[in-house]
Amino acid sequence: QVQLVESGGGVVQPGRSLRLSCAAYGFTFSSYGMHWVRQAPGKGLEWVSVISGAGSNSFYADSVKGRFTISRDNSKNTLYLQMNSLRAEDTAVYYCAKGGSSSSWDRADYWGQGTLVTVSS
Amino acid sequence: DIVMTQSPDSLAVSLGERATINCKSSRNVLYSSNNKNYLAWYQHKPGQPPRLLIYWASTRESGVPDRFSGSGSGTDFTLTISSLQAEDVAVYYCQQYYSSPFTFGQGTKLEIK
Repeated sequence: QVQLVESGGGVVQPGRSLRLSCAAYGFTFSSYGMHWVRQAPGKGLEWVSVISGAGSNSFYADSVKGRFTISRDNSKNTLYLQMNSLRAEDTAVYYCAKGGSSSSWDRADYWGQGTLVTVSS
Repeated sequence: DIVMTQSPDSLAVSLGERATINCKSSRNVLYSSNNKNYLAWYQHKPGQPPRLLIYWASTRESGVPDRFSGSGSGTDFTLTISSLQAEDVAVYYCQQYYSSPFTFGQGTKLEIK
């Protein structure tokens, strides 16, 4: 069955960097787009980024554009989110989610358990 | 950016009664080439990841009980729970995936009356 396991979260100082990983199991990873979605404490869901199955296109929320980079290694069945110039407002649980098809323009049908990122001095 | 606005923000419904959540997008999310509305509904319970309920505005995800249904087109959408069960207590979100950024609504908190 589909399983997504995020890692790499933790406490980081403002302005520093962190890389999240999401290991995927139970499906043909390269055939599906992948999303990152976050939830700040006490807030709603915020979509962060998506990458197509082949990795040929990617898109970002305005709040992270220019600071975050999504990527994937289809040989390792792993999704990444490189987060630079972190701010306090980036503090959130970060979920990776599988897309419904190889396209970027699709729903998120399976979600990982999430990893907590705390940006604090 | 497309803004998604849900109503109400919170809702209390008696067990066995109908619950209705609305979602309005600031722009059309119906793609004319394939006649699909790029709109999904998710259920989110504390301590769990979100769960996809409905996609393409009205297609129920596999394994989702048939008391959950989605309707609407263009800019106005509705999630209906026909007979509320205790396990349906959660926050519900709509999301458009028509145009990046793929924005969520602010969420609707559903409780038992």
